[in-house]
Amino acid sequence: GAGVSQSPSNKVTEKGKDVELRCDPISGHTALYWYRQSLGQGLEFLIYFQGNSAPDKSGLPSDRFSAERTGGSVSTLTIQRTQQEDSAVYLCASSPSGVGTEAFFGQGTRLTVV
Amino acid sequence: KQEVTQIPAALSVPEGENLVLNCSFTDSAIYNLQWFRQDPGKGLTSLLLIQSSQREQTSGRLNASLDKSSGRSTLYIAASQPGDSATYLCAVTQGGSEKLVFGKGTKLTVNP
Repeated sequence: GAGVSQSPSNKVTEKGKDVELRCDPISGHTALYWYRQSLGQGLEFLIYFQGNSAPDKSGLPSDRFSAERTGGSVSTLTIQRTQQEDSAVYLCASSPSGVGTEAFFGQGTRLTVV
Repeated sequence: KQEVTQIPAALSVPEGENLVLNCSFTDSAIYNLQWFRQDPGKGLTSLLLIQSSQREQTSGRLNASLDKSSGRSTLYIAASQPGDSATYLCAVTQGGSEKLVFGKGTKLTVNP
């Protein structure tokens, strides 16, 4: 596609439910990143994929968070047993090959846990 | 641990003014530095990417400089326009890491 696509754009869920957030990177980009932006906070790194592998998942805040990438393309971020503090905008980015190459971001998914 | 700071946090200027946004980082061992803009409720739009070996990059009315040894970058916007109103973020890619470390941004308002 022309850009990084994320879905849904908005998600409201009840506390304790599981949610899945989807990211379609730019075609041919091997590197994919997930970030979280909480109200009034900066962007927080969550996880990095190179192809289908995740060499850096150091930013995942707890074991309720997981992510996978299949076919070197689409990625899904899953949050289990959501908590109110998970409310944030989740941003996905891709780049042609990782370090040294320009990162392009999607529009984000705004997650609200009620 | 790399820390990125952007000053000022907010800036309001009249249309037509030239302005400078500042970004500083604590660890000079970076691969590159990238400037983004973020419009309210939107994702990030990449503006300029400067590799660690470069001193500056230009795109239209935007010019970004990098002084790696002193841990500083500036984004210069010439002849500002109301459409430039947005939050501007800088981010560095740390040596030995793939992740971007972001500053908290400068919220720019250009008044007609």
